[in-house]
Amino acid sequence: KQEVTQIPAALSVPEGENLVLNCSFTDSAIYNLQWFRQDPGKGLTSLLLIQSSQREQTSGRLNASLDKSSGRSTLYIAASQPGDSATYLCAVKAGNQFYFGTGTSLTVIP
Amino acid sequence: GAGVSQTPSNKVTEKGKYVELRCDPISGHTALYWYRQSLGQGPEFLIYFQGTGAADDSGLPNDRFFAVRPEGSVSTLKIQRTERGDSAVYLCASSSPTGSYNEQFFGPGTRLTVL
Repeated sequence: KQEVTQIPAALSVPEGENLVLNCSFTDSAIYNLQWFRQDPGKGLTSLLLIQSSQREQTSGRLNASLDKSSGRSTLYIAASQPGDSATYLCAVKAGNQFYFGTGTSLTVIP
Repeated sequence: GAGVSQTPSNKVTEKGKYVELRCDPISGHTALYWYRQSLGQGPEFLIYFQGTGAADDSGLPNDRFFAVRPEGSVSTLKIQRTERGDSAVYLCASSSPTGSYNEQFFGPGTRLTVL
């Protein structure tokens, strides 16, 4: 069974810093990987989706990379802002199912 | 257009009761997923529909859980004889067969509390 791990579980940074969130998965036979943010008490908002044949995707201050062979993805956030504070989740699609990590809780301090 | 909607947003019920949770996907999305999220955890897959049929229900925890999607649009997750351990946020997501294939779009969730 696919296992998805996110490190660190929590992260606190001052505003303006660049930061990296990590996601690892145990089975490289994935169809795609998707990064989400979740605000307290809310649903998930899609940030970036990387197909298994791709290496990275960028959207604004966000850049996600995928190394399928090593079972790793990173989400890079440039020039962090207090509004970036949320929980960030990664999910991999294998077969019909999506497997989620437990998330990284990010706090950006003004 | 409108995003994924879920009703009710909150549901409080007593142990042993029956509940129904509704999901209205994005128009035209043929794939629909149900997840359960417990506090501090990532969403856990329950069931996947492609059109009207359940293509994968391997995530349903037991036979008290059932879901339908009779017309290939709205889906209802049904839980019989609820237990306190069923308390969680139930999330629904849909995706389109075109465009960014398999990108999931989530609803706001239904918070179920079983007393």
